[in-house]
Amino acid sequence: NAGVTQTPKFQVLKTGQSMTLQCAQDMNHEYMSWYRQDPGMGLRLIHYSVGAGITDQGEVPNGYNVSRSTTEDFPLRLLSAAPSQTSVYFCASREGGRAYHEQFFGPGTRLTVL
Amino acid sequence: GEDVEQSLFLSVREGDSSVINCTYTDSSSTYLYWYKQEPGAGLQLLTYIFSNMDMKQDQRLTVLLNKKDKHLSLRIADTQTGDSAIYFCAVPDSGYALNFGKGTSLLVTP
Repeated sequence: NAGVTQTPKFQVLKTGQSMTLQCAQDMNHEYMSWYRQDPGMGLRLIHYSVGAGITDQGEVPNGYNVSRSTTEDFPLRLLSAAPSQTSVYFCASREGGRAYHEQFFGPGTRLTVL
Repeated sequence: GEDVEQSLFLSVREGDSSVINCTYTDSSSTYLYWYKQEPGAGLQLLTYIFSNMDMKQDQRLTVLLNKKDKHLSLRIADTQTGDSAIYFCAVPDSGYALNFGKGTSLLVTP
């Protein structure tokens, strides 16, 4: 299993540009989520999905869109990039249910918005 | 939402024990987790504890849970330079998400 994969690893954008961060998992996990990590802020949840066709907002959803058309993929879209979106983005997945649930993280995408 | 608090930095000497503390607000969590992040990498699950346990030991790691005070700690015995990393406490919220603390940067000096 490849686990959780993310592309690209690094990206530089200009203000106002759009892009999609890709995330895929091959573990047949129901639950997928996107976090951003900023210095001194820990990880903050952007959006999450509890299954194909179902998405919901996390703590910091503004400026980001998501969709979940398949179990495997959960792309994150920046419609009009802003310098405040400079961050490291992590995708994570886990099995469904509310009991024990280890989250598996991707390696991250480091995004810089100029 | 869930508030998870951790101190930001800890420095210890190689061979000493490290203790990383975490406090949380929600008492309904079933499991509580510790994740480790090495430089330039994603987070990996280090250990976890079920909420009906007071202590869990796993080799050099000891997790203590005080449910009354909503306090969780991670002790690393015989800390090595390879243990230098950021350690995150994580507590499930009432839905499906994990709430993470801001992370404790552990620096182990020779």
